[in-house]
Amino acid sequence: ELKVEQNPLFLSMQEGKNYTIYCNYSTTSDRLYWYRQDPGKSLESLFVLLSNGAVKQEGRLMASLDTKARLSTLHITAAVHDLSATYFCAVDMQGAQKLVFGQGTRLTINP
Amino acid sequence: KAGVTQTPRYLIKTRGQQVTLSCSPISGHRSVSWYQQTPGQGLQFLFEYFSETQRNKGNFPGRFSGRQFSNSRSEMNVSTLELGDSALYLCASSLGTSSVYEQYFGPGTRLTVT
Repeated sequence: ELKVEQNPLFLSMQEGKNYTIYCNYSTTSDRLYWYRQDPGKSLESLFVLLSNGAVKQEGRLMASLDTKARLSTLHITAAVHDLSATYFCAVDMQGAQKLVFGQGTRLTINP
Repeated sequence: KAGVTQTPRYLIKTRGQQVTLSCSPISGHRSVSWYQQTPGQGLQFLFEYFSETQRNKGNFPGRFSGRQFSNSRSEMNVSTLELGDSALYLCASSLGTSSVYEQYFGPGTRLTVT
């Protein structure tokens, strides 16, 4: 059974600081996704990582994938308040349209 | 291009009732997946439909069912509602049933069971 674990689950940080969210998964998968969710809202796609060593960056967020370690990271650089949200990683079951999500990391960025 | 739409956006039901939620995929998308999000269990896969056929199913009781129409629109039904069914129900559409196609999520339906 595919399991996806994120840590930390809660993260409170100050504006301007850097931090990393980790996502571990238990079995081989085709791709890994990162999503953002604001309170009461749906999921906003941030990154799709397709292969080992993939790195994608958008603004202050950078995601990477190590398929050998079954680990993805979401790095936040010089955090700003607008990045406060819950971040989910998700992995698909090989070949299927079935995403298995991590527990989510609730990120709060304080001025 | 319009995104995924879900109706209704909010719903309040009583225990024992049944409910039907609707999802209209992005034009041209033929696969629709449903997910349940609760504070306790997180985001969980319910089922996926492609070409009017259920392709994958998550670990949910038979009270949860769905279907897909020839225009790719999908409905999910929950019968004999329980308090624990209160959740945000998200549907996602994609071009096809293979994982090579990214899923795009709708705004969700917030179901409250009292």
